[in-house]
Amino acid sequence: GESVGLHLPTLSVQEGDNSIINCAYSNSASDYFIWYKQESGKGPQFIIDIRSNMDKRQGQRVTVLLNKTVKHLSLQIAATQPGDSAVYFCAEIRSSSNTGKLIFGQGTTLQVKP
Amino acid sequence: DTAVSQTPKYLVTQMGNDKSIKCEQNLGHDTMYWYKQDSKKFLKIMFSYNNKELIINETVPNRFSPKSPDKAHLNLHINSLELGDSAVYFCASSPRGASSYSGNTIYFGEGSWLTVV
Repeated sequence: GESVGLHLPTLSVQEGDNSIINCAYSNSASDYFIWYKQESGKGPQFIIDIRSNMDKRQGQRVTVLLNKTVKHLSLQIAATQPGDSAVYFCAEIRSSSNTGKLIFGQGTTLQVKP
Repeated sequence: DTAVSQTPKYLVTQMGNDKSIKCEQNLGHDTMYWYKQDSKKFLKIMFSYNNKELIINETVPNRFSPKSPDKAHLNLHINSLELGDSAVYFCASSPRGASSYSGNTIYFGEGSWLTVV
């Protein structure tokens, strides 16, 4: 079946430290992955994405790594700030589906301690 | 201006009632979606419409009926509400076309919190 999952439900980090949030997927046909941030009381917000022909992509303070061999991706947040506190989801779109359907993982709650 | 707006934001209702959640997008997108987020934060797609045509229907009970009067609106009507329907419902929209289906072109509303008592 379809499965995109995360390893840990909650991650607590000190302000200024780096955060790493992990995600595993099961379908080797998956070819496009997205990380979303959901703040309390709001909808998911796009952070960064990566396609299967890449293994790393960097944004502002965020980096996504993709390991297709073990079907794993991670989101790294540098110098974590209190404003980074949220639930983070990995999600997948299978471009073969041509529908834009997002398959979400369970979500990891990131708590940033001051 | 809010890109994807949902109403109501909060809804508390009794079992057995019928209720609707409305969604509107002002982005000119052709495709709209409904996602359900349960108490464990798990997000799952329910429906998708492309220019008023249903393209995704994910094994959702018949009590849920989406309606798209035009491509800027996708409403969700729920009949005979059950306790298990309590969740946050998110509307989203995106441009049409496979090449347009990328994370940064999919916009979510702020959610509608439905509580069935």
